[in-house]
Amino acid sequence: EAQVTQNPRYLITVTGKKLTVTCSQNMNHEYMSWYRQDPGLGLRQIYYSMNVEVTDKGDVPEGYKVSRKEKRNFPLILESPSPNQTSLYFCASSRLNTGELFFGEGSRLTVL
Amino acid sequence: KNEVEQSPQNLTAQEGEFITINCSYSVGISALHWLQQHPGGGIVSLFMLSSGKKKHGRLIATINIQEKHSSLHITASHPRDSAVYICAVLFGYNNNDMRFGAGTRLTVKP
Repeated sequence: EAQVTQNPRYLITVTGKKLTVTCSQNMNHEYMSWYRQDPGLGLRQIYYSMNVEVTDKGDVPEGYKVSRKEKRNFPLILESPSPNQTSLYFCASSRLNTGELFFGEGSRLTVL
Repeated sequence: KNEVEQSPQNLTAQEGEFITINCSYSVGISALHWLQQHPGGGIVSLFMLSSGKKKHGRLIATINIQEKHSSLHITASHPRDSAVYICAVLFGYNNNDMRFGAGTRLTVKP
């Protein structure tokens, strides 16, 4: 089954404790991307990747890092989380940048 | 700053009604996506458009590149269509900067 898998789905953490949200797709998609969704602000793109070892900043990259060492994985790293990073995070993938987007189920992160 | 505007913000319809949701954007784009987000939070891609019109079942999406405008139509609406509909655009032709509309919350009553 074609899918994008995010982990963890839910996480409560404390300020400054490094965390990684993993994203994996099994469709051999070149394009992967991370978004956050906040009430009143909607969805915003954090980082995206066109292929292995190719990443670029989206609309709100501050406080986040990503890596794309393998085609299937695109982890989102919060080196020092802060409460303003409390949000619902989505990962998505597609064939290059103009194909149908496949979204993960979302990861709800709370930073205390 | 690139902008994506959706209207209406909220829409309530009776079952069977024809629904139109609009999306306007400010500069040239390479593609536009229509997404559906159900109350549980999951997001599903409905359409990806770069020109013209696409149809899938009761859903129709159109885009007018010159007018920088896209519409999503739902024919014979049903309560299961109740969701938030979001348009997302890829600005420019050599980048992948994606911006989103604020979403349209659709409620279809039986």
